[in-house]
Amino acid sequence: QQQVKQSPQSLIVQKGGISIINCAYENTAFDYFPWYQQFPGKGPALLIAIRPDVSEKKEGRFTISFNKSAKQFSLHIMDSQPGDSATYFCAARGLAGNTGKLIFGQGTTLQVKP
Amino acid sequence: NAGVTQTPKFRVLKTGQSMTLLCAQDMNHEYMYWYRQDPGMGLRLIHYSVGEGTTAKGEVPDGYNVSRLKKQNFLLGLESAAPSQTSVYFCASSNLPGANVLTFGAGSRLTVL
Repeated sequence: QQQVKQSPQSLIVQKGGISIINCAYENTAFDYFPWYQQFPGKGPALLIAIRPDVSEKKEGRFTISFNKSAKQFSLHIMDSQPGDSATYFCAARGLAGNTGKLIFGQGTTLQVKP
Repeated sequence: NAGVTQTPKFRVLKTGQSMTLLCAQDMNHEYMYWYRQDPGMGLRLIHYSVGEGTTAKGEVPDGYNVSRLKKQNFLLGLESAAPSQTSVYFCASSNLPGANVLTFGAGSRLTVL
């Protein structure tokens, strides 16, 4: 069963626009929410992450917004660039056992048009 | 800086054949993971290891076995490949408990006919 649901599946944005990817989780026992970026033919790489005790985290053009009560978090990419074209995965880490098992969302393929 | 290296990068198998995917990391990371990536399914954890000599099951362990005899290597085995195991496999490692930062390999694309 998928505990982290990600939308949309694909997204096309014009250069300079804002890209927004949403994730919702079901299990409240998650304590860490990273986003990974994957370029074609490469493995995913950590982009930005947030813990549930903060509502927003910003790193450059990338911002995570976190809504604990709604069990939702989202990635905003400001001033989107063609180089941002990639697949983005949200993830959540379970508390139990602290084994570090991440549950990933389904992924969103972003295309930024010049 | 090799990071995480996966071999082979591509492999085609026939149903029932066996094979082993090798993951090697040169960062002295304690934790290692095997994921599979399928369209519309994201990344799903197959098996993981929290240290040399340890292994544990993830979300989708059936049909796979793993071994971590050396700290730097994590092997994923398919004893009798099935078409449902056609996928892209990613190995990842971390030096922190809780998978705070996973370093992924470039992936191994496996096709089972």
